[in-house]
Amino acid sequence: EDQVTQSPEALRLQEGESSSLNCSYTVSGLRGLFWYRQDPGKGPEFLFTLYSAGEEKEKERLKATLTKKESFLHITAPKPEDSATYLCAVPPPGNTPLVFGKGTRLSVIA
Amino acid sequence: KAGVTQTPRYLIKTRGQQVTLSCSPISGHRSVSWYQQTPGQGLQFLFEYFSETQRNKGNFPGRFSGRQFSNSRSEMNVSTLELGDSALYLCASSFQRGDTEAFFGQGTRLTVV
Repeated sequence: EDQVTQSPEALRLQEGESSSLNCSYTVSGLRGLFWYRQDPGKGPEFLFTLYSAGEEKEKERLKATLTKKESFLHITAPKPEDSATYLCAVPPPGNTPLVFGKGTRLSVIA
Repeated sequence: KAGVTQTPRYLIKTRGQQVTLSCSPISGHRSVSWYQQTPGQGLQFLFEYFSETQRNKGNFPGRFSGRQFSNSRSEMNVSTLELGDSALYLCASSFQRGDTEAFFGQGTRLTVV
């Protein structure tokens, strides 16, 4: 069964304290990996798509990287406004729906 | 370019009632997927519509149904509501099926009392 596992489940950082979130997957024949940010009570906001091992994407203080078995979302010098739940998702083989991880709930304290 | 629009944003219903939620995808997008999100279960896939046809269905009871119209707008219906149906219902649209990015609406918060 295709699986997406995110860790840690929750992360509390001081403002400016850099860290990384992990997304590991067991989908065979990866055809892309997506990162989303979700604020409480709102829909997920698309952040990045990564397609191949070694690929990196950046947006402000966020950088996403991809290996053959996992992806990392690096957060450099985070600010309180970066507090949110970060979700990753992969498309299984065939035209089947995205499989989502349960997310990492990030809190950045001023 | 307008994003995905879901209506209504909030709903309070009584057990046993039924409810219809609406989703208007991004212009030009033909694939619409629905998800249920609860604190304990995360995002659970409900169904996917493409060109007015249901293409995939998640593991939910038959009380959950949906449809898609010729303009790609989609509705989902939940009949005989149960307390456990309380959740954030999210709609996502994408240009085509498969591995393209999916863009989400703000969701409909359904509370069943």
